[in-house]
Amino acid sequence: QKEVEQNSGPLSVPEGAIASLNCTYSDRGSQSFFWYRQYSGKSPELIMSIYSNGDKEDGRFTAQLNKASQYVSLLIRDSQPSDSATYLCAVNTEDSNYQLIWGAGTKLIIKP
Amino acid sequence: DAGVTQSPTHLIKTRGQHVTLRCSPISGHKSVSWYQQVLGQGPQFIFQYYEKEERGRGNFPDRFSARQFPNYSSELNVNALLLGDSALYLCASSLGQLYSYTFGSGTRLTVV
Repeated sequence: QKEVEQNSGPLSVPEGAIASLNCTYSDRGSQSFFWYRQYSGKSPELIMSIYSNGDKEDGRFTAQLNKASQYVSLLIRDSQPSDSATYLCAVNTEDSNYQLIWGAGTKLIIKP
Repeated sequence: DAGVTQSPTHLIKTRGQHVTLRCSPISGHKSVSWYQQVLGQGPQFIFQYYEKEERGRGNFPDRFSARQFPNYSSELNVNALLLGDSALYLCASSLGQLYSYTFGSGTRLTVV
């Protein structure tokens, strides 16, 4: 069974520091990788997508993909209290008929 | 440009009843997926439709069904509701099957 694993947390980070969120996946054929942010009671919101090995930066967010080691990470620089949310990792593969396979999410708390 | 719209936003049903949830994708998006999310878990895949054809079905009973219309909007139907069907139901649309998904605000279903 294809799986996506995340540490459930909570991960507590001081305001202004770097938050590092990690995700591992089991299917080597995975092709698309996404990070979503979800506030309590709200729907997931896309933060970053990454399709090839390496780093992808967008503002304070950097996604890192390492297909050989089967992990994807999200770095949040200069963390703000508004970044406090659950971060969901999702993986897409042709073998799974393009279904997004989701991790359970990591709860991030930014302490003022 | 309107995002993904779902209706209704909240719904209370009695066990054994039937429910229909509706979703309108972002204009130009041809792929629609449905997810169920219970508190503390990542979204669970229910159905995916692409170009009006079912392209994927998750591990849900036959009480769950869906369809996609010529205008790419979609309906999720659940028959013979159980208490365990209480959850946030999310619809997401995408340009295609390997692209990122944009979520609607969800329908909160409570079965009593």
